[in-house]
Amino acid sequence: GENVEQHPSTLSVQEGDSAVIKCTYSDSASNYFPWYKQELGKGPQLIIDIRSNVGEKKDQRIAVTLNKTAKHFSLHITETQPEDSAVYFCAALDPNAGGTSYGKLTFGQGTILTVHP
Amino acid sequence: DTEVTQTPKHLVMGMTNKKSLKCEQHMGHRAMYWYKQKAKKPPELMFVYSYEKLSINESVPSRFSPECPNSSLLNLHLHALQPEDSALYLCASSQDVSLQETQYFGPGTRLLVL
Repeated sequence: GENVEQHPSTLSVQEGDSAVIKCTYSDSASNYFPWYKQELGKGPQLIIDIRSNVGEKKDQRIAVTLNKTAKHFSLHITETQPEDSAVYFCAALDPNAGGTSYGKLTFGQGTILTVHP
Repeated sequence: DTEVTQTPKHLVMGMTNKKSLKCEQHMGHRAMYWYKQKAKKPPELMFVYSYEKLSINESVPSRFSPECPNSSLLNLHLHALQPEDSALYLCASSQDVSLQETQYFGPGTRLLVL
């Protein structure tokens, strides 16, 4: 099955700096890569996603890049703010998980991002 | 609106109790999911419903019993749980179970089993 590795596990930055979180996946069939932000006591919230036919996507201060050849994708947050502090999860969708016809999301282990004022 | 709601927010139950978790979405999504999340870990898939039918059971113990009464509602019935079942239980929904569909998560129910 799919395996997603996420690094770093913790990331501490100063307000205004950029933050980069990287993920690698194992199954070349995976074709959809969402990023979720989870604040304390809340459910994961989708912040950006990218599909396999696109190499880069940007939404204001957040961008995601995908390298299908190398099987890795990254989240870039610019001009970080204290409210960006949270746990970030990457995920990869395997469209034929275990021989089924349904797409299964496999998550990375998460990155705790702390933005210091 | 991409909102998935879950009730209750918190639940404390004994090992002999029976309780239910509820999830609701009004986005017209036809796929709904239950996930379990332990502290400092990613969500783990438990069940998938597609068009109100159970499609996937990720080898979950029978003390967890899912139910999908209609396309907007998803329940998780709990019976004879163990302390190690204490976790955050997340519901999610997506347009379909097929390719590249975004899953939207609810806020979760934090369960404590004593």
